[in-house]
Amino acid sequence: DTAVSQTPKYLVTQMGNDKSIKCEQNLGHDTMYWYKQDSKKFLKIMFSYNNKELIINETVPNRFSPKSPDKAHLNLHINSLELGDSAVYFCASSHKTSGSRETQYFGPGTRLLVL
Amino acid sequence: SQQGEEDPQALSIQEGENATMNCSYKTSINNLQWYRQNSGRGLVHLILIRSNEREKHSGRLRVTLDTSKKSSSLLITASRAADTASYFCATDQAGTALIFGKGTTLSVSS
Repeated sequence: DTAVSQTPKYLVTQMGNDKSIKCEQNLGHDTMYWYKQDSKKFLKIMFSYNNKELIINETVPNRFSPKSPDKAHLNLHINSLELGDSAVYFCASSHKTSGSRETQYFGPGTRLLVL
Repeated sequence: SQQGEEDPQALSIQEGENATMNCSYKTSINNLQWYRQNSGRGLVHLILIRSNEREKHSGRLRVTLDTSKKSSSLLITASRAADTASYFCATDQAGTALIFGKGTTLSVSS
């Protein structure tokens, strides 16, 4: 009964390929996020969706495209992968309350290595 | 973008000792949260303290918040080897996503 799950856990691919990472949460949360954690463990928000609607889109190359088919799922598609995309990608979810961001629940991460 | 800064970057202690980590931030916040990340795992929420609170406890964890100094501290008492992990503070600043600091890596040896 994993709360936030991601697939795959590991992803090794060649430069130029297109890949997708899937995320699902069974917590009934309205808001989902994608974060990127670099090799120095710095965690940066990429996207945030509330009820399938994009609400945060940080400065991320447009090769990254999130898709939310329903509020329990937020997938991340990456086109034309580059070496610098190698990182750990975390999905998270939370309840959305007006004006503040509450506890976030993180998935286990997807370790992407671009060769 | 603005972010919290944890201090120290790394901390090594013996089991049974207390561990204190600090976090500083730059703008006013709604709340401040602490997360733990074990090696190779996702982040786990530890505690949330709101801007109108000064201290909060959860088990062996004690968090303080000083909004005048824009700083917070996380104290882990009677540390155990299982507390070995990276600890991150995250600030909820109005109009933005949670902003995470760079983390403190805690190593507890037995």
